[in-house]
Amino acid sequence: RKEVEQDPGPFNVPEGATVAFNCTYSNSASQSFFWYRQDCRKEPKLLMSVYSSGNEDGRFTAQLNRASQYISLLIRDSKLSDSATYLCVVNIGGGADGLTFGKGTHLIIQP
Amino acid sequence: DAGITQSPRYKITETGRQVTLMCHQTWSHSYMFWYRQDLGHGLRLIYYSAAADITDKGEVPDGYVVSRSKTENFPLTLESATRSQTSVYFCASIGTGLYEQYFGPGTRLTVT
Repeated sequence: RKEVEQDPGPFNVPEGATVAFNCTYSNSASQSFFWYRQDCRKEPKLLMSVYSSGNEDGRFTAQLNRASQYISLLIRDSKLSDSATYLCVVNIGGGADGLTFGKGTHLIIQP
Repeated sequence: DAGITQSPRYKITETGRQVTLMCHQTWSHSYMFWYRQDLGHGLRLIYYSAAADITDKGEVPDGYVVSRSKTENFPLTLESATRSQTSVYFCASIGTGLYEQYFGPGTRLTVT
């Protein structure tokens, strides 16, 4: 089983819709969780950290489900500019070298 | 306010040549990382450094060498480039606390 898994997509979603995707992780002791956004041919950029209580930043909501070992990202009222690849990152080892990236979910917002 | 920069941004080299990719950050972050990103593999850790003069291997270190004599610089050297090292290379850093990484713009390396 891979340590951090994401559905690669693509998710094709009409503008204004709500979209959600998950990221599963294999190490139940994982402590830190993040979502990054990566535009084509650009560097990953931190979108949000994921806290145990869940957190929201504008149209974006991230949640952690420890029992089922996954994190989720919900995007409401999607914009054309949300089109990107979304990477989840899980710290599976506790130290800085334990930061493990999923392969990303490709999201396409259609007009 | 440059943050984290990489040079060169694009590089074409021949098999067997040595090439060095540079990474410079202005935040005085302790941790720095080198990743490669390839289709089908996502981001894979090559080497990382916890501080000046402290480096350690990541998932795919073979064929690469790093050094960190100063906190702000973390060069990555391909000692004898191979075609399998054609990739996009990202440098990243972390300040303190929650392991939130900040990435440089990347170097696109082609080995012919």
